[in-house]
Amino acid sequence: DAGVIQSPRHEVTEMGQEVTLRCKPISGHNSLFWYRQTMMRGLELLIYFNNNVPIDDSGMPEDRFSAKMPNASFSTLKIQPSEPRDSAVYFCASSFFPGGGTDTQYFGPGTRLTVL
Amino acid sequence: AQKITQTQPGMFVQEKEAVTLDCTYDTSDQSYGLFWYKQPSSGEMIFLIYQGSYDEQNATEGRYSLNFQKARKSANLVISASQLGDSAMYFCAMREVFYNTDKLIFGTGTRLQVFP
Repeated sequence: DAGVIQSPRHEVTEMGQEVTLRCKPISGHNSLFWYRQTMMRGLELLIYFNNNVPIDDSGMPEDRFSAKMPNASFSTLKIQPSEPRDSAVYFCASSFFPGGGTDTQYFGPGTRLTVL
Repeated sequence: AQKITQTQPGMFVQEKEAVTLDCTYDTSDQSYGLFWYKQPSSGEMIFLIYQGSYDEQNATEGRYSLNFQKARKSANLVISASQLGDSAMYFCAMREVFYNTDKLIFGTGTRLQVFP
């Protein structure tokens, strides 16, 4: 079975540019999560979708960040304009809720973003 | 608010020996889930094991077991017969579910080094 797919795996851009990160969740999963990992703040949730609807976006840092989930098999996280402090690894994860059990979140390989 | 504490920033273990990675949590919820993830140097987050708060038996998955002590609010990961490939960061996480959010709260991680 294909796991969570993210693209690109690495992105290097210059400050002020628009960055779009993409995610394809595991087929059949109805919850999708975007996390950000930095040395200073560890892993933190940015936004959570359930059945394609954004449920909790309280972790989105500011208006420069936006996320969409147009259908059950695709989501994007956009940063515009990007800033050096946005440099981090961005993970997408998916799960099935309610799973009657673990509702385990399975993570994609991550996108390592570097903003110069 | 829920909180996860991992007090060991780094651990060393010799190959074929067992090692315990500590995790304590704080929650007022009666129903919760605890997870362990492995993050090797390649960066992906790999789900290892899950323990539900109502599970009476400790979870086991192959060489991984979770020493769940509910009264002490601890959920330590035990890796038996360590292998060189076990060298990685290990994160303990708790699932936080409110009416408008569903997310994992992560600890700061423990870096495990397995030596020959």
